[in-house]
Amino acid sequence: QVQLVESGGGVVQPGGSLRLSCAASGFTFSSYGMHWVRQAPGKGLEWVAFIRYDGSNKYYADSVKGRFTISRDNSKNTLYLQMNSLRAEDTAVYYCAKGLGPRGAYMDVWGKGTTVTVSS
Amino acid sequence: EIVLTQSPATLSLSPGERATLSCRASQSVSSYLAWYQQKPGQAPRLLIYDASNRATGIPARFSGSGSGTDFTLTISSLEPEDFAVYYCQQRSNWPRYTFGQGTKLEIK
Repeated sequence: QVQLVESGGGVVQPGGSLRLSCAASGFTFSSYGMHWVRQAPGKGLEWVAFIRYDGSNKYYADSVKGRFTISRDNSKNTLYLQMNSLRAEDTAVYYCAKGLGPRGAYMDVWGKGTTVTVSS
Repeated sequence: EIVLTQSPATLSLSPGERATLSCRASQSVSSYLAWYQQKPGQAPRLLIYDASNRATGIPARFSGSGSGTDFTLTISSLEPEDFAVYYCQQRSNWPRYTFGQGTKLEIK
């Protein structure tokens, strides 16, 4: 079945770095755009980043631009989020999500999420 | 940035009742709006996209309507499993996607 499994979360100090991974299975990963979406504790959803199916274009929320980098390896069916210069406000559950349709603007399959805690 | 405002913040209803949730955009998003359901400890689930299209596997009791700035998610007859938080999301301002703050649907 279609599945996304995130990994790589953990506790990191402010200013530190972390790389999240999202392993995809059950669909043709290389045909779909992919998102990262996060949710701070007790808060709503915040879109973080999107990458086109072939990795040719990447887009970011203003809150993470210049600090986070989204990437993908279609040969490994894996999505990544490199997070640098982490701040306390980056503390959240990070979900990867598959884009729906050719533009991939909606998220029709979600992983269970991985938790990132930024704290000294 | 397009701001989505959901109302009410909390909606208290009983199983079998009809639920009407609202999402208002700060500027027109045409029909480029989706609805998601999230239960505690779970990932969100796509319910409706492009304002009125049900996603795969979503029961017919869920329906969406609206265009421009005002949108509605209707659940015709609440089942126990429908009590959750619901979010709207716009794709009009591509690729700067935004979500509403959520409506919590709780059992009365």
